[in-house]
Amino acid sequence: NAGVTQTPKFRVLKTGQSMTLLCAQDMNHEYMYWYRQDPGMGLRLIHYSVGEGTTAKGEVPDGYNVSRLKKQNFLLGLESAAPSQTSVYFCASSYHTNQPQHFGDGTRLSIL
Amino acid sequence: EDQVTQSPEALRLQEGESSSLNCSYTVSGLRGLFWYRQDPGKGPEFLFTLYSAGEEKEKERLKATLTKKESFLHITAPKPEDSATYLCAVQARGSNYKLTFGKGTLLTVNP
Repeated sequence: NAGVTQTPKFRVLKTGQSMTLLCAQDMNHEYMYWYRQDPGMGLRLIHYSVGEGTTAKGEVPDGYNVSRLKKQNFLLGLESAAPSQTSVYFCASSYHTNQPQHFGDGTRLSIL
Repeated sequence: EDQVTQSPEALRLQEGESSSLNCSYTVSGLRGLFWYRQDPGKGPEFLFTLYSAGEEKEKERLKATLTKKESFLHITAPKPEDSATYLCAVQARGSNYKLTFGKGTLLTVNP
């Protein structure tokens, strides 16, 4: 039982490049979330999904897009990377909204 | 606006020296308070959920308690393997997705 798996684990991009972060969960959870974690700040929600085919904005959605074509996968896209998007990105999933969220081990992204 | 403040920011203990971490919160009706542990280079690992004042949960050397304004994570006779960052998060009633996280307490337990 892998839980929540994020790929890639590390990535370095140049300003203006695009990329997609992949999150996969094998717990049959309905809800999935993308967070970013920056030094000295708490985890901040970027986007979330309440089920297959749905997405919604969180606290800090600007510069990001998401898609949830399959229940088990949640993709986070950066269309034109900026240095301010250098961060550690975490994906999480939960069975229901008031149930604990289970996190992956993150993607460390640097934008030069 | 929901707020979570964790204190202290960092705590050093000797093995066996019990202590407590604090999570103070302001929320418009608490739906749930969550404690997580985060090891370096890893994602947060779920520890406890508390739903109402007076509730307590225990797991090995950890015990979480909840009042109407704060939660404590008590660590009894800690071991070096308890070293980690401990995160607190709250979910407000009426919010069906949003967790507000604190900045965490970095706990170091020396042998």
